[in-house]
Amino acid sequence: GQQLNQSPQSMFIQEGEDVSMNCTSSSIFNTWLWYKQDPGEGPVLLIALYKAGELTSNGRLTAQFGITRKDSFLNISASIPSDVGIYFCAGQTAGGTSYGKLTFGQGTILTVHP
Amino acid sequence: NAGVTQTPKFQVLKTGQSMTLQCAQDMNHNSMYWYRQDPGMGLRLIYYSASEGTTDKGEVPNGYNVSRLNKREFSLRLESAAPSQTSVYFCASARPTSGGAIGSYEQYFGPGTRLTVT
Repeated sequence: GQQLNQSPQSMFIQEGEDVSMNCTSSSIFNTWLWYKQDPGEGPVLLIALYKAGELTSNGRLTAQFGITRKDSFLNISASIPSDVGIYFCAGQTAGGTSYGKLTFGQGTILTVHP
Repeated sequence: NAGVTQTPKFQVLKTGQSMTLQCAQDMNHNSMYWYRQDPGMGLRLIYYSASEGTTDKGEVPNGYNVSRLNKREFSLRLESAAPSQTSVYFCASARPTSGGAIGSYEQYFGPGTRLTVT
């Protein structure tokens, strides 16, 4: 099956620092989604990417859909304590029989020290 | 809009017991999904339902059954719980996106059910 490798597995940063994380796949995806999960909650959709090379921002978050369609990147600028959580990438193969099924990365645990 | 709701929030079972996890969405989405989340493994798809009346296996279906009761509700059943099924279970629903290729969806998740099997 499809494999998604997300890195780093965890990050410990100071408030105000920028953060970068990425996902690479053994297969091509047509859609990349980035989610954040707070402790005890379900994942919340942050950014959706639909085209190779696409760069999309949501406030301090910026994500890119890699040119090869096999990778994606998420950057968080000027981190704040509420950025703490687990960030997941997810890839989707579009098409008539995919029905929106997602393949998830293992997650990046982000800790922000005030 | 409540979005996706799940019940119960917590459950403890003994090995061999059965139970049903409930999920409902009020967003009029056709597609619904059940995932399990284990430490260091991300979310893995158990079953999904592309539309009312249809269900299909995901990556890890063994030990589970599902029912798509109507468009709103999608339940997950453990017939004989095992310790290996201790996990956090998430339900999600999805709508097609306007910005992507045909068949691109955005999934929205419920708050999860934390299940422990002893």
